[in-house]
Amino acid sequence: DQQVKQNSPSLSVQEGRISILNCDYTNSMFDYFLWYKKYPAEGPTFLISISSIKDKNEDGRFTVFLNKSAKHLSLHIVPSQPGDSAVYFCAASPSGGSNYKLTFGKGTLLTVNP
Amino acid sequence: EPEVTQTPSHQVTQMGQEVILRCVPISNHLYFYWYRQILGQKVEFLVSFYNNEISEKSEIFDDQFSVERPDGSNFTLKIRSTKLEDSAMYFCASKPRQGGNYGYTFGSGTRLTVV
Repeated sequence: DQQVKQNSPSLSVQEGRISILNCDYTNSMFDYFLWYKKYPAEGPTFLISISSIKDKNEDGRFTVFLNKSAKHLSLHIVPSQPGDSAVYFCAASPSGGSNYKLTFGKGTLLTVNP
Repeated sequence: EPEVTQTPSHQVTQMGQEVILRCVPISNHLYFYWYRQILGQKVEFLVSFYNNEISEKSEIFDDQFSVERPDGSNFTLKIRSTKLEDSAMYFCASKPRQGGNYGYTFGSGTRLTVV
């Protein structure tokens, strides 16, 4: 039961170009979304998040867009740098309750070529 | 910057043996979690712990699993009788009370290999 789907297992872009990573979700109870970046042999590192009351959140080179009607979010990285090469996980969490459990997608391996 | 610390980084154990994975969450955090990632698969929620008790657990977290916060600083995951399919990266995470998912921080993980 994939409640959070990242349909592209990998993405390769040139340095300086835009990277767009996509994520779809099925659970209508999700209303807080996060992107994590993961290097090999390390834990996921928080990158950026968005709540369902917004459709865009920007932090430096990273922007997350949320389309609630389509249950779709995307992470844009502009400009992409070789150090951005990592696995990117989309995660979602419902509001209410107190557990803040995260449901992850399978991840997208981003490779930024110099 | 505060970190979630996990030990050991790699543990090899024989099938049927008990293992204890250790975590030191960030000191002022109140919510504690274990997640795992089987090689090539997604990161999966195992259990959440708040106010000295389990607040939610997944189907994976069966009677072979238990968690403990024995001394106010450590947070441990015990697997009583390991199976081959328990081989995975196990991540501990913690978060403060305030701000929804703000501050949700993961450790670097323990790679458990069951042989």
